[in-house]
Amino acid sequence: GAGVSQTPSNKVTEKGKYVELRCDPISGHTALYWYRQSLGQGPEFLIYFQGTGAADDSGLPNDRFFAVRPEGSVSTLKIQRTERGDSAVYLCASTRDRAITEAFFGQGTRLTVV
Amino acid sequence: QQQVKQSPQSLIVQKGGISIINCAYENTAFDYFPWYQQFPGKGPALLIAIRPDVSEKKEGRFTISFNKSAKQFSLHIMDSQPGDSATYFCAASSGGGTSYGKLTFGQGTILTVHP
Repeated sequence: GAGVSQTPSNKVTEKGKYVELRCDPISGHTALYWYRQSLGQGPEFLIYFQGTGAADDSGLPNDRFFAVRPEGSVSTLKIQRTERGDSAVYLCASTRDRAITEAFFGQGTRLTVV
Repeated sequence: QQQVKQSPQSLIVQKGGISIINCAYENTAFDYFPWYQQFPGKGPALLIAIRPDVSEKKEGRFTISFNKSAKQFSLHIMDSQPGDSATYFCAASSGGGTSYGKLTFGQGTILTVHP
């Protein structure tokens, strides 16, 4: 596609439920990143994929959070047993490769846990 | 060690004025310093970026000044326009086994340019 696409744009879920957030990166971009942006804050790194493998998951806050990228393109961020503190905008970004190159961000998924 | 501190939190300037946003970092391994612009409901978009081998980079009305010894860098927006009203984030990253896309962001500056 022309840009990084994230679905859904908005997600409201009840506390304790499971959610999946999808990211479709720019075609040909091998690296994919997930960030979380709380209200009034800068994005915080969660996890980074190079191809199909998670190269760095040091930003995942706990084991309720998990992400996959099985075919090296689309990625899904999965959150189990959601908590109200998980409410935030989840951003996805992609880059061509490991070289210094622009990270293109999607518009984000606004997750609200009620 | 990984923090990037940004100031001010908010900034109001008149049309045609100069907007200046400052950032300081701690991790000396950082070697890529981009600035992102974010409009409400949108993802961040790259504005301009600098490597530490130069002290200044200019692109149109936007200039980054970089002080390696002080571990500080700043964004200057000349001839600020109402359309520049947005939230600006400085960021930093490094290579060395991880990608430059793993960014550490500042807290953001909400810029308002009055007509």
